[in-house]
Amino acid sequence: DTAVSQTPKYLVTQMGNDKSIKCEQNLGHDTMYWYKQDSKKFLKIMFSYNNKELIINETVPNRFSPKSPDKAHLNLHINSLELGDSAVYFCASSNRGGLGEQYFGPGTRLTVT
Amino acid sequence: GDSVTQMEGPVTLSEEAFLTINCTYTATGYPSLFWYVQYPGEGLQLLLKATKADDKGSNKGFEATYRKETTSFHLEKGSVQVSDSAVYFCALLNGDSNYQLIWGAGTKLIIKP
Repeated sequence: DTAVSQTPKYLVTQMGNDKSIKCEQNLGHDTMYWYKQDSKKFLKIMFSYNNKELIINETVPNRFSPKSPDKAHLNLHINSLELGDSAVYFCASSNRGGLGEQYFGPGTRLTVT
Repeated sequence: GDSVTQMEGPVTLSEEAFLTINCTYTATGYPSLFWYVQYPGEGLQLLLKATKADDKGSNKGFEATYRKETTSFHLEKGSVQVSDSAVYFCALLNGDSNYQLIWGAGTKLIIKP
C-alpha cells in the first residue's frame, strides 16, 4: 500500500565507494524527483524526470547519476562517495501540472565515513 | 528568480498556544502556495495549499491565507499540540518554472507539554 517507497532506509558506507538508492511509486504519477536534505533540514532539488525524460538537472556533481527505467521507478547512483554526500535523500512523485502536490518517500539516510 | 522566505526556527511554544509561522514569497505571475509538514523521521507531506489570491487553505486545524498585496502565506493554528512538533516548509509553484516547487528553508516547531 506504500505510495512512494525507497530502499534502503539507511546506508552507511566509506568514502570512495559507489552506492545506489532505489525509488518506486504506485500512484500512477508521471513525474518523479530526487531531493537532498542536509542536517539543517534545507531541501534541495537534484533531478526530476517526467515520463522517463530528464526535465530538471540542478547543479549536482556528475558523480550523481539518476536513471528512470520506467515512469514508476527512479534510481540514484552515486560514484566515489564523499563525506559531504552525507544527508537524507528523498524521492517524490507527482503529476506534472498537478498543482504542486508531491508525494514523498520516507527518505534514505546516507552516512559516508 | 522566484524565492520563498520563512521565519527562522526553532519556534518553541507551550501546548495550547497560538502559532504563527511567517512565509513571504517573490514570484512573477500568479503562483500557487503550499505548506508541507515533515514529522520526525518521515518524508514531507502536503498540509494545505491555496491557488489564487485571497484563498484560504486549511487542514488539521492549520490555516493560511494567500495575500497577494503582502506576498505572504503565513501558517496559523489556534491551539497547538505536542503532536504538531515537526518541520514546516512553505513552497510555491509557478507554472513558468517547469512545475518545480520552490522551497523555503523550513521552520522547526517544538511544542512543550
